[in-house]
Amino acid sequence: AQSVTQPDIHITVSEGASLELRCNYSYGATPYLFWYVQSPGQGLQLLLKYFSGDTLVQGIKGFEAEFKRSQSSFNLRKPSVHWSDAAEYFCAVVASGGSYIPTFGRGTSLIVHP
Amino acid sequence: DAGVIQSPRHEVTEMGQEVTLRCKPISGHDYLFWYRQTMMRGLELLIYFNNNVPIDDSGMPEDRFSAKMPNASFSTLKIQPSEPRDSAVYFCASSPSPGQGNQPQHFGDGTRLSIL
Repeated sequence: AQSVTQPDIHITVSEGASLELRCNYSYGATPYLFWYVQSPGQGLQLLLKYFSGDTLVQGIKGFEAEFKRSQSSFNLRKPSVHWSDAAEYFCAVVASGGSYIPTFGRGTSLIVHP
Repeated sequence: DAGVIQSPRHEVTEMGQEVTLRCKPISGHDYLFWYRQTMMRGLELLIYFNNNVPIDDSGMPEDRFSAKMPNASFSTLKIQPSEPRDSAVYFCASSPSPGQGNQPQHFGDGTRLSIL
């Protein structure tokens, strides 16, 4: 079965600084990968997804993520963080050829200092 | 374009009472999921439906929990009797048929449940 690890429970950055949130997955083949964001009091919203092809994918709100097969990673990045980016971020993996039901990581809470 | 709609947004009730959470998925989505989110356990999949049929309920914590989907536009999650440890945020999500697994889930805004 696939699994997802988000090593950082909390990340604190200053507004305007760059951001990288880590996601590592465990799965034998190439998975389908997703990043979601959850703002306070709201449900999860899709930021971006990777299925195949270009390993650098662009998402909404200026986010991007890079799939690195050799490292089993799918880290989320943003060059300049805005205060409104403060939220919980979830990485999810779907095993190709399985039930296609995603497995979610525990999430990383992003705190943005002014 | 209406998203997934959950009601109520907040529910506070006393231990032992029956609780019913409601969800209206996005029209045309074949799959519906119920999740529970807590600080201790994160996001847990409770049950999911395909074309109104429950496919996997292995995440349902115990017999006090039940879920139904009488038609394509409505689902309920019921807890009877409720206990304080059931306090959590419950999310409903829907998606088109996963196909090759490339369909993301669309989440409602959740029901924040507090059992006193």
